[in-house]
Amino acid sequence: GAGVSQSPRYKVAKRGQDVALRCDPISGHVSLFWYQQALGQGPEFLTYFQNEAQLDKSGLPSDRFFAERPEGSVSTLKIQRTQQEDSAVYLCASSTGQGLDTQYFGPGTRLTVL
Amino acid sequence: QKEVEQDPGPLSVPEGAIVSLNCTYSNSAFQYFMWYRQYSRKGPELLMYTYSSGNKEDGRFTAQVDKSSKYISLFIRDSQPSDSATYLCAMRIEGGSEKLVFGKGTKLTVNP
Repeated sequence: GAGVSQSPRYKVAKRGQDVALRCDPISGHVSLFWYQQALGQGPEFLTYFQNEAQLDKSGLPSDRFFAERPEGSVSTLKIQRTQQEDSAVYLCASSTGQGLDTQYFGPGTRLTVL
Repeated sequence: QKEVEQDPGPLSVPEGAIVSLNCTYSNSAFQYFMWYRQYSRKGPELLMYTYSSGNKEDGRFTAQVDKSSKYISLFIRDSQPSDSATYLCAMRIEGGSEKLVFGKGTKLTVNP
């Protein structure tokens, strides 16, 4: 079946622009996660949802970052007034939400802020 | 100090070698331990997971967890060029947030 998909795959933004990154999880997956992966680093947790409820947003680096999942399926990560330090790969993952279930990752969106 | 420490390498070995990768961690609440493999410009994919202490074997891969030392390892036997990738350790607590805490990743190259 289809895996996690993300769009766009690549995004170039000028400093100060707003961007929106989309994640389509595996159909039926309850939990959805966003991670940020800087060059040469491991993924860092940003936030996660169970259905439409945002259960943990402790990793969002500032109030410029906002995530939503209004109908419990597709999610959007929005970054306002982008800064150069926001340049990274943004990974989305989904899981069934039951017990220790595998998080399946998408290919990521590579954001470059000039 | 980060919660999870992992030597980023890079690590270069000849084909057929035994590879040892490891991570240390500081949070004693971690109960689930995972190894992910990430190819260039791809998302991480789960290789193995272990609950609490012990060993787990899957083909050429063996994962070990030593909670008393807060140390986890991944061994790859008979390494192949197709094993060339970045290996990430990841951990999470039991209950509470489902977030994963990752190490920095170790970049492995297996030379034919």
